[in-house]
Amino acid sequence: AQKITQTQPGMFVQEKEAVTLDCTYDTSDPSYGLFWYKQPSSGEMIFLIYQGSYDQQNATEGRYSLNFQKARKSANLVISASQLGDSAMYFCAMRAGGTSYGKLTFGQGTILTVHP
Amino acid sequence: DSGVTQTPKHLITATGQRVTLRCSPRSGDLSVYWYQQSLDQGLQFLIQYYNGEERAKGNILERFSAQQFPDLHSELNLSSLELGDSALYFCASSVEGGMGTDTQYFGPGTRLTVL
Repeated sequence: AQKITQTQPGMFVQEKEAVTLDCTYDTSDPSYGLFWYKQPSSGEMIFLIYQGSYDQQNATEGRYSLNFQKARKSANLVISASQLGDSAMYFCAMRAGGTSYGKLTFGQGTILTVHP
Repeated sequence: DSGVTQTPKHLITATGQRVTLRCSPRSGDLSVYWYQQSLDQGLQFLIQYYNGEERAKGNILERFSAQQFPDLHSELNLSSLELGDSALYFCASSVEGGMGTDTQYFGPGTRLTVL
């Protein structure tokens, strides 16, 4: 079975500073994908970034980067130059192989608050 | 805007009733997924359809059923509703069957309140 753990219920960061949101995962499948989604207070789920288990380099998408440490089974999201609009809930999710197909397993989420 | 549409946005109903949630995937996407988000259970995968066929099943209750139609839109039917079914129901879609780099894009959700 797959499991995602996000140990930070809430995080605070000053505007323009960088912040790291933690995510650890557990799976016995050698092929898997890791995703981060953002959920603002309006409720929608916004895709941010993807990392495949065989990817050699850490994924980056604009101000978002994924610090992927395979041996430690961690996939931390780094947001650089935080903006007030980054205040939201952030979810880490995993898709493993086998018959799970597209099933995403989500962590409990981290609420990020950006202070001016 | 992800391109995935869900209707209705809000739904208020009574225990024991039946409701239908509708989802239209992004143009060209063949897979549709349903997720339930509640305070106590978090985000839970319910079911996936790929090009009209059921592809993967999660912790979906027997009172719940879904289908994907030839035009690829999907419906989630919830029956004999209980208070605990109150949640935000998301539909997501992706281009292919969900493996590899196939990314799921979520709709705005349907908030169901069971009174």
